[in-house]
Amino acid sequence: GENVEQHPSTLSVQEGDSAVIKCTYSDSASNYFPWYKQELGKRPQLIIDIRSNVGEKKDQRIAVTLNKTAKHFSLHITETQPEDSAVYFCAASKPGGFKTIFGAGTRLFVKA
Amino acid sequence: DAEITQSPRHKITETGRQVTLACHQTWNHNNMFWYRQDLGHGLRLIHYSYGVHDTNKGEVSDGYSVSRSNTEDLPLTLESAASSQTSVYFCASSPGSSSTGQFFGPGTRLTVL
Repeated sequence: GENVEQHPSTLSVQEGDSAVIKCTYSDSASNYFPWYKQELGKRPQLIIDIRSNVGEKKDQRIAVTLNKTAKHFSLHITETQPEDSAVYFCAASKPGGFKTIFGAGTRLFVKA
Repeated sequence: DAEITQSPRHKITETGRQVTLACHQTWNHNNMFWYRQDLGHGLRLIHYSYGVHDTNKGEVSDGYSVSRSNTEDLPLTLESAASSQTSVYFCASSPGSSSTGQFFGPGTRLTVL
């Protein structure tokens, strides 16, 4: 069945360093790849997304890249800050339907 | 302002009881989803709906049911609660026009004793 794998499960970086979270998806028909941030005790919130007709998208300190051939996509956070500490989820969905499959999440710690 | 709400926010129940978790959104979104969140498993889809009277099973639907009688609400029912259903439950919604991100409710923490 459809599957999204996410690595690493835990990531610890020093404030100011970059953080990279990687995901792979199994269904080549997937065409929409959102990323969510979930702070402790809060709901997941969409932070950035990318569609299959785009290879890269950037929004201030965060960027996403997509390699359709390899079925990989990644989240890049530059100049990390303590408030970036949270759990990040990647996800994938297919056209014609809106069901979304989530990765297991990456817990990011940014040390001040 | 438009929003998505869940009630109750916390619930403790006993094994075998029927429990219903409410989800209400005021965005007029066609799509609504129920997920459960457990450590190490991320967000797993329980049931989803693409519109009134439409319901579909997700990857972990056993023991759960939903009904969609209007656009705003998608209640989740646990027919006979089990300890394995202790979890945090999130409802989410999204517009129906194309694939977009989902808006999540605040979550319901359910404990089954």
